[in-house]
Parts: sequence; structure tokens; C-alpha cells
Amino acid sequence: DAGVTQSPTHLIKTRGQQVTLRCSPKSGHDTVSWYQQALGQGPQFIFQYYEEEERQRGNFPDRFSGHQFPNYSSELNVNALLLGDSALYLCASSSRELAGWETQYFGPGTRLLVL
Amino acid sequence: KQEVTQIPAALSVPEGENLVLNCSFTDSAIYNLQWFRQDPGKGLTSLLLIQSSQREQTSGRLNASLDKSSGRSTLYIAASQPGDSATYLCAAEEDSNYQLIWGAGTKLIIKP
Repeated sequence: DAGVTQSPTHLIKTRGQQVTLRCSPKSGHDTVSWYQQALGQGPQFIFQYYEEEERQRGNFPDRFSGHQFPNYSSELNVNALLLGDSALYLCASSSRELAGWETQYFGPGTRLLVL
Repeated sequence: KQEVTQIPAALSVPEGENLVLNCSFTDSAIYNLQWFRQDPGKGLTSLLLIQSSQREQTSGRLNASLDKSSGRSTLYIAASQPGDSATYLCAAEEDSNYQLIWGAGTKLIIKP
């Protein structure tokens, strides 16, 4: 089992551009959550996907959007990038059936730098 | 609104010492409390999960406690080793929506 995988590992973009980050959940997991972690801070919840729909959303603008595919993998899209979007983006997978009882498994993250 | 705080922000101790990391949360209506480890430039590794009905969990040299009434959790590390050096984060999973609310972490350095 490869666990949670994310791609790319690093990314450099300029202000105003758009970016897509990808996540494949751990085998057997059907729920994907995305987090943004700025340097020196704890992760901030962006949103969660289950059954190809956004189920929960944190306090992030509409520039942040996502998608979940039938195979449970997910994408995070960020439009009109700002310097403040520079962060480590973490994906976590879990099982909806066991939500709250089974810990979320995290991927290694994608480090995004916006210049 | 749930807020999670970790004190201290950084801690440096000699190898072999026992130490305690603190985590406090403002809303006691949590589903569980989790402790994670993050190594530089890497993702998060779950260490311990304490369900809301439990008081503590143990894994090897790690012991985590939970006191919902006081809004506090502690992570106890026994006989610290240089390999324990990392940032330790706690996260409270909200009862209502299963979202994780995170502290900013404690950066731990164990000196050989």
C-alpha cells in the first residue's frame, strides 16, 4: 500500500496564475481532505470531498476549488494566485464509514511558492 | 469557534530527559484529539488519537492524555532521543463536522 500520494512535490508559480495539485488516497479510503499549512503554522482546513462532492469547507475564498474522481483521487485548484498562497498543501484521506474514529492519513504535501 | 493552542512554541532539552508538550482547546465538544509529528519539509505522521470518551493513550515512549473539562491535552515523551526532534502538532476533531482544528505546533530539539 503506497499510502497517500501527492503530486507534484514542489511547484513555483507567479501571481495571477492557476495551479492544480493532485492527491491519491490510501487504499480503502473514500474521503479526501485538503489543508494549507503556512510556514510556522498549523494546517488550515480547506475542504473535504466524499462521493465526488464537497462536503465541508473551511474559511477559504472561491479561488480554491476541488474535485474528486470516481476512483476517490482528488484535485485542488487555486485560481488567481496570490503571494499569500505560498504554503505546503497537504492531502489527507480517511474512511467515511469510520469518520471520527480512524485517524486521517496524510500525504507528504506539495510545496507551492508564488512569486 | 474552536481554537487550539500549543505551548511552548519551541523546546530544547538534553537527550534522555522526560518532557511534556501541552495543547489546549476552547470548545470541549470534540470528537477526538490527535497528536501528530512533522519532520522538516515532510507531511504529518499520526502518533496518538484519543477518543472523546478516553482519558489517555500510550504508544511506546509516548503517552497522551485528554481532559475535556479543562480543555487540555498533554503529550508525554519518556527518555527523549535525538530522533524525537521534530515539530509536534495537536489537532481537535470537531464533534459536529469532523474537521480538524490545529495548533501551531511545538518545535522540539533533543540535544545529544
